[in-house]
Amino acid sequence: DTEVTQTPKHLVMGMTNKKSLKCEQHMGHRAMYWYKQKAKKPPELMFVYSYEKLSINESVPSRFSPECPNSSLLNLHLHALQPEDSALYLCASSQEPSGGSPYTDTQYFGPGTRLTVL
Amino acid sequence: AQKITQTQPGMFVQEKEAVTLDCTYDTSDQSYGLFWYKQPSSGEMIFLIYQGSYDEQNATEGRYSLNFQKARKSANLVISASQLGDSAMYFCAMREFFTGANSKLTFGKGITLSVRP
Repeated sequence: DTEVTQTPKHLVMGMTNKKSLKCEQHMGHRAMYWYKQKAKKPPELMFVYSYEKLSINESVPSRFSPECPNSSLLNLHLHALQPEDSALYLCASSQEPSGGSPYTDTQYFGPGTRLTVL
Repeated sequence: AQKITQTQPGMFVQEKEAVTLDCTYDTSDQSYGLFWYKQPSSGEMIFLIYQGSYDEQNATEGRYSLNFQKARKSANLVISASQLGDSAMYFCAMREFFTGANSKLTFGKGITLSVRP
């Protein structure tokens, strides 16, 4: 089962709102990722959690705040977003094998949350 | 410099025919992995196929095969017997090896494939 779930599917929020995106996987994967994707562009990496610790932050503005409560869950807290933050937000997970070959580690993606900031 | 290059404009293929989607990459690493993902209009990124730099055989997964030419640094995706459901955007991606923190997945710009009935 290579399923990653994301909620909500769609989200519309105002610039003063606070909302959260949720991602869940039950594949026993130890790495989880947040990507942002604009229309007809490749995904852009935002954050990586490895063994529940933040290992990569791609200089993302502080209005995006990730959280990894446990190895199966990943949240993205949103606050004071701008209209240009409207995009598809994708979550992914991978096994993250300890030692050996990280380049073989396949990322599996969720269906994404389409975010619109008004 | 671009690490993954997908230069084909929108591609069209007749249903039941085969199609090749091009991907070239640039790396100085000896160890790396190459991935293809499919993204339908619904948005989900679907993993299709993986090729490791040390794999001697070309990867195959059902109707998908990867034409891996290491010396030319190309990893083209071949879809046989195209189906209408294959219409989507296709991304080539590479993961390089380095010690320490997670290695990143670098995506190409993607290719749009349309299958005609």
